[in-house]
Amino acid sequence: KAGVTQTPRYLIKTRGQQVTLSCSPISGHRSVSWYQQTPGQGLQFLFEYFSETQRNKGNFPGRFSGRQFSNSRSEMNVSTLELGDSALYLCASSQKGLAGDADTQYFGPGTRLTVL
Amino acid sequence: GQSLEQPSEVTAVEGAIVQINCTYQTSGFYGLSWYQQHDGGAPTFLSYNGLDGLEETGRFSSFLSRSDSYGYLLLQELQMKDSASYFCAVRPYNQGGKLIFGQGTELSVKP
Repeated sequence: KAGVTQTPRYLIKTRGQQVTLSCSPISGHRSVSWYQQTPGQGLQFLFEYFSETQRNKGNFPGRFSGRQFSNSRSEMNVSTLELGDSALYLCASSQKGLAGDADTQYFGPGTRLTVL
Repeated sequence: GQSLEQPSEVTAVEGAIVQINCTYQTSGFYGLSWYQQHDGGAPTFLSYNGLDGLEETGRFSSFLSRSDSYGYLLLQELQMKDSASYFCAVRPYNQGGKLIFGQGTELSVKP
C-alpha cells in the first residue's frame, strides 16, 4: 500500500496570504488528523476528520480550517498567514480512529511552510 | 490539562542501551505510544502500551505504569541510525483520534 502523501512538500508565502495543503491518506483509512510541528511548541494537534466530519479540533485560531472529501483525502487551509505560522504541517491517517487502532497513526512527510 | 514530559536530549554510544522516560499528567487515556522522527522526516510508529507492563519489539521495548504516571522506551544494541527524535504520545478518552505528544527527546548515538 502507498503511504500517506502530502502536497506540496515545500511552500513559501508572505504574510497575509492564504495557503491550502493537501493530504491523501493510506487507502482504506478514514481518519485524517493534522498537526503543526515547530521547534518551540513541538507537535500540536490541529484537527481530525472522520468520514467527512470534523471530529475534534485543537486550540488554534479560526484562520486554520480543514475539510475531508468522500474519498478521505483532506485539505487544510490557513488564511491571513502570520510569521508564526511557519512550521512543518503533518497529516496522519488511521483506519477507524477508535481505541487501539487510532494509536497507530501513519504520518505523511509533511509540508514545510515558510511565511516571509 | 494534559502534558507529557521527556528529557530534551540523550547521548549514548553504539552498542549501548538507552532508556527514554516519559512522565505524564493526564486525566485518562487509551494508551502510551512512541514515535521516532529522523531529521526532516515523518514520525513513524514504534510501540504502543495499552496495558501496564512491558512490550517488546525487536531491539525496542516500551513500558507503562499507570499508577506511577510513567512510561519509557528502551533501545538496545544502539546503532548510528537510531539517532533521531523520540516522542511519547497519549490519546485522551473521548477525543477521537487526537494524540497529545511530549516535546520529544533527541537521541545522539556516538561511535
